[in-house]
Amino acid sequence: DAKTTQPTSMDCAEGRAANLPCNHSTISGNEYVYWYRQIHSQGPQYIIHGLKNNETNEMASLIITEDRKSSTLILPHATLRDTAVYYCIVRFHNFGNEKLTFGTGTRLTIIP
Amino acid sequence: KAGVTQTPRYLIKTRGQQVTLSCSPISGHRSVSWYQQTPGQGLQFLFEYFSETQRNKGNFPGRFSGRQFSNSRSEMNVSTLELGDSALYLCASAEQTRIPGNTIYFGEGSWLTVV
Repeated sequence: DAKTTQPTSMDCAEGRAANLPCNHSTISGNEYVYWYRQIHSQGPQYIIHGLKNNETNEMASLIITEDRKSSTLILPHATLRDTAVYYCIVRFHNFGNEKLTFGTGTRLTIIP
Repeated sequence: KAGVTQTPRYLIKTRGQQVTLSCSPISGHRSVSWYQQTPGQGLQFLFEYFSETQRNKGNFPGRFSGRQFSNSRSEMNVSTLELGDSALYLCASAEQTRIPGNTIYFGEGSWLTVV
């Protein structure tokens, strides 16, 4: 699985959109980009994933650049409960590869 | 649907003892993985089971073992506990499909403290 690079920490004002970048310049064509977050050392919570196209669900939007070398997770209206460590993971999913390789993530702090 | 359930949530053990942690995956999920999270090493993959067989293994000593039952429930065991085994142990499950891009879901974890 390709390696990812994320900023160590970020702040965002409550109510604003939080934009979390991730660089994955060595991503291959069959690798998916996954985002998870972890709050207060609870279990990681799945947020969203995508391959090529931008994706949106009830939690967030995922914007993947055309060359797929980077992506941005967008939390449209950040709340204090969004304070967490966010992990960007690149995963090649073939039958039998149910493994996630976590990096150090981005510690997002939502400021009141 | 119930999520991934792990028991116990918290436990304290003494060096040299052994411990068994339990995980019930989401209904219908046949793949179960285990991870260890420590402040120093972060989240690390331990092993993954599917159809009662270990399919993938991380870089951990043989003191760490696991198994999966026919109902997909899984247990992991750590023998001869060391202080460095103090960690959050996380279980994850996934629906096994040949369609790429499936989702892996995590439980809340079991906090192990070794004294």
